Amino acid sequence: KAGVTQTPRYLIKTRGQQVTLSCSPISGHRSVSWYQQTPGQGLQFLFEYFSETQRNKGNFPGRFSGRQFSNSRSEMNVSTLELGDSALYLCASSSSPRGADGYTFGSGTRLTVV
Amino acid sequence: AQSVTQLDSHVSVSEGTPVLLRCNYSSSYSPSLFWYVQHPNKGLQLLLKYTSAATLVKGINGFEAEFKKSETSFHLTKPSAHMSDAAEYFCVVSDPGGTSYGKLTFGQGTILTVHP
Repeated sequence: KAGVTQTPRYLIKTRGQQVTLSCSPISGHRSVSWYQQTPGQGLQFLFEYFSETQRNKGNFPGRFSGRQFSNSRSEMNVSTLELGDSALYLCASSSSPRGADGYTFGSGTRLTVV
Repeated sequence: AQSVTQLDSHVSVSEGTPVLLRCNYSSSYSPSLFWYVQHPNKGLQLLLKYTSAATLVKGINGFEAEFKKSETSFHLTKPSAHMSDAAEYFCVVSDPGGTSYGKLTFGQGTILTVHP
């Protein structure tokens, strides 16, 4: 059974550009969450999707957006990149609508903004 | 609202000695609690989960944790540390409802160092 797949693994972007990150959840998992990990702030929740609907959103500016497709694959987009957006972005999926079974994480996308 | 406090940012043990990583939580509902481990430059791996069944939870690689509602604690233990246990460990809480719906809240992490 394939795990959670995130692409690309590494990205280098310039300030002001935009970026799209992709996440393919475990087959059959309909809940997908995104997290930002930085040394200073730790792991912070970005948003969660279930069956193409955003159910919850963290405290991030509107430059951060996401979506989920009918096959449960998800993308997140960051527009007008800032240096502070440099981070490891993690995607996670769960088989249960409320996440009670826990979430399986991908290996992440390391975004560097220069 | 939910929150997690990991009481130690660093723990250092010798190989073969017990491991104790401490975690206190706050939740408005009956929470689900998890421990995740992250090795350098890797994603997060689920070690174990508590979801209102048995209060003593056994996980992978010999780890276990005990849910104590009266103390709002969920400490992680292992009887004998192995060099491969060196990593960063995260205590995580998930509320089933309210504004925390679908969201995991992470502690700040505990870095475990294992000395030969």
